[in-house]
Amino acid sequence: NAGVMQNPRHLVRRRGQEARLRCSPMKGHSHVYWYRQLPEEGLKFMVYLQKENIIDESGMPKERFSAEFPKEGPSILRIQQVVRGDSAAYFCASSLNHQETQYFGPGTRLLVL
Amino acid sequence: GNSVTQMEGPVTLSEEAFLTINCTYTATGYPSLFWYVQYPGEGLQLLLKATKADDKGSNKGFEATYRKETTSFHLEKGSVQVSDSAVYFCALSGAGGGADGLTFGKGTHLIIQP
Repeated sequence: NAGVMQNPRHLVRRRGQEARLRCSPMKGHSHVYWYRQLPEEGLKFMVYLQKENIIDESGMPKERFSAEFPKEGPSILRIQQVVRGDSAAYFCASSLNHQETQYFGPGTRLLVL
Repeated sequence: GNSVTQMEGPVTLSEEAFLTINCTYTATGYPSLFWYVQYPGEGLQLLLKATKADDKGSNKGFEATYRKETTSFHLEKGSVQVSDSAVYFCALSGAGGGADGLTFGKGTHLIIQP
């Protein structure tokens, strides 16, 4: 029973490039959450999506960041024109229903040079 | 708003010692409470949870009791092992306040020495 899958595990970008992070939820889960973990910090909620809908993006930066969860395929977190401050670990979690237990993927570690 | 406060680390203990990691929370509603564990270079794994007052979550020898009167969810283990070395995060959800995601503490780095 596969868990939450994220790829790539590590991503290096230069300032100004785009970063695309992918998340495939656990089988049967249609609720996806993205979190960001800065060095020496806890995880901060960014966005909550269901299939084809953004439900809560209260934790997303207003500019350069976007997320989607299409009908088919993984959820994508997209960061345009990356800056050094975007360097962090980005975790995806999924749940069977809203406000049920969230299961986390292994994360994507983004490094912006 | 909602918040979680946990004890600063690192916490260093000898093998077989008793462990307590304190966690207190502030919430506008009636949250569910969680402990997650993160091993180096990995994602978070759910360790245990409690969904209502006086519930006790337990797993792998770890326990935590949901104390509404003290707004706490302290993590305990009677005899730690070297393999318990990791970062432990206390979190809450479902407390209202608008955000749908988990609210995490900053994490406590636990180091167990042989």
